[in-house]
Amino acid sequence: GENVEQHPSTLSVQEGDSAVIKCTYSDSASNYFPWYKQELGKRPQLIIDIRSNVGEKKDQRIAVTLNKTAKHFSLHITETQPEDSAVYFCAASNSQAGTALIFGKGTTLSVSS
Amino acid sequence: DTEVTQTPKHLVMGMTNKKSLKCEQHMGHRAMYWYKQKAKKPPELMFVYSYEKLSINESVPSRFSPECPNSSLLNLHLHALQPEDSALYLCASSEGLAVYEQYFGPGTRLTVT
Repeated sequence: GENVEQHPSTLSVQEGDSAVIKCTYSDSASNYFPWYKQELGKRPQLIIDIRSNVGEKKDQRIAVTLNKTAKHFSLHITETQPEDSAVYFCAASNSQAGTALIFGKGTTLSVSS
Repeated sequence: DTEVTQTPKHLVMGMTNKKSLKCEQHMGHRAMYWYKQKAKKPPELMFVYSYEKLSINESVPSRFSPECPNSSLLNLHLHALQPEDSALYLCASSEGLAVYEQYFGPGTRLTVT
């Protein structure tokens, strides 16, 4: 089955810096890759996703890149702000097999001002 | 309406109690999910319903019993739980299985005493 590895487990940056979180997946048939942000005590919130027919997607300060050959995808946050502090989870799924999301273990991002 | 709602927000129950968690969405989504989340861990899939039929059961103990009365509602019946079952229980929904964006509810914080 699918296995998703996420790194780093913790990341501390200064306000205004960029943050990058990386995930690798094992199933080459996976074709949907969402990123969730979860603040303390809150629900996971979908912040951006990418499908396997696209190499990059951007939404304001957030971007995701996908390398299908290497089977890895990354979240990029530019101009970080204290409110970006949260746990970020990557996930992968295979629509053809009808599988549910397989999550990475999460990255705790701390942005200090 | 792009929201998934869950009740109750908090629940404390003894090991001999029977209780139910409820989840509701009015987005016309045909897939609904139950996840269990422990602190600082990713959501762990428990059950998936697709078109009101149980599609995936991730070998969850029988003390957890899901029910999908209609396309908008999802219940999780709890009986004879153990203290280690204490966790945040998240409901999610998506337009369809696998590829489509999943939206999470706020969760029910369950404590088993």
